[in-house]
Amino acid sequence: QKEVEQDPGPLSVPEGAIVSLNCTYSNSAFQYFMWYRQYSRKGPELLMYTYSSGNKEDGRFTAQVDKSSKYISLFIRDSQPSDSATYLCAMRAADYKLSFGAGTTVTVRA
Amino acid sequence: DGGITQSPKYLFRKEGQNVTLSCEQNLNHDAMYWYRQDPGQGLRLIYYSQIVNDFQKGDIAEGYSVSREKKESFPLTVTSAQKNPTAFYLCASKSGSAKETQYFGPGTRLLVL
Repeated sequence: QKEVEQDPGPLSVPEGAIVSLNCTYSNSAFQYFMWYRQYSRKGPELLMYTYSSGNKEDGRFTAQVDKSSKYISLFIRDSQPSDSATYLCAMRAADYKLSFGAGTTVTVRA
Repeated sequence: DGGITQSPKYLFRKEGQNVTLSCEQNLNHDAMYWYRQDPGQGLRLIYYSQIVNDFQKGDIAEGYSVSREKKESFPLTVTSAQKNPTAFYLCASKSGSAKETQYFGPGTRLLVL
């Protein structure tokens, strides 16, 4: 079993829809949680970064962490074609090492 | 303009050849990392360095080598011992703060001729 599980999709939604992405993990020591966005043939860019359980909102993006269920989510409201990308979840314990999900490919149709 | 640069963008390797991928950062970050990304898989850690003149193997170090002679630079050599080198290689860096996270460069795509 992988340490971080993420549904690879692909996920296709119409413009304006809410995109819901999630990851589950098995390591209870994880305490830092990230979402990266990666456009085709580009490096990942940090989208959201949360520490501990709860919600964090940044514009159209909301990240949720539920440590009791070992489950994290990313919601994109009012999705735009420019949101079409692969979204990677990542997490780590107190040490250096990031563990990544496989990434979910999202297409927002105009 | 601070950031992480990787070069070249595309690299072609012949059988039995060693090739070196460049990674430079001007963010004054202490730690630097190399990852490999294959289709449908998450990023896998090759090597990392938390301080100049020191580096450690990641999960898939076989067939790769690195050096860290300067804080700004962390080149990765893909040796002929790496039998399946075709992949997208990503360099990342991170400040020394425990709560900070990693920032990525634009990547180098390595192809075998």
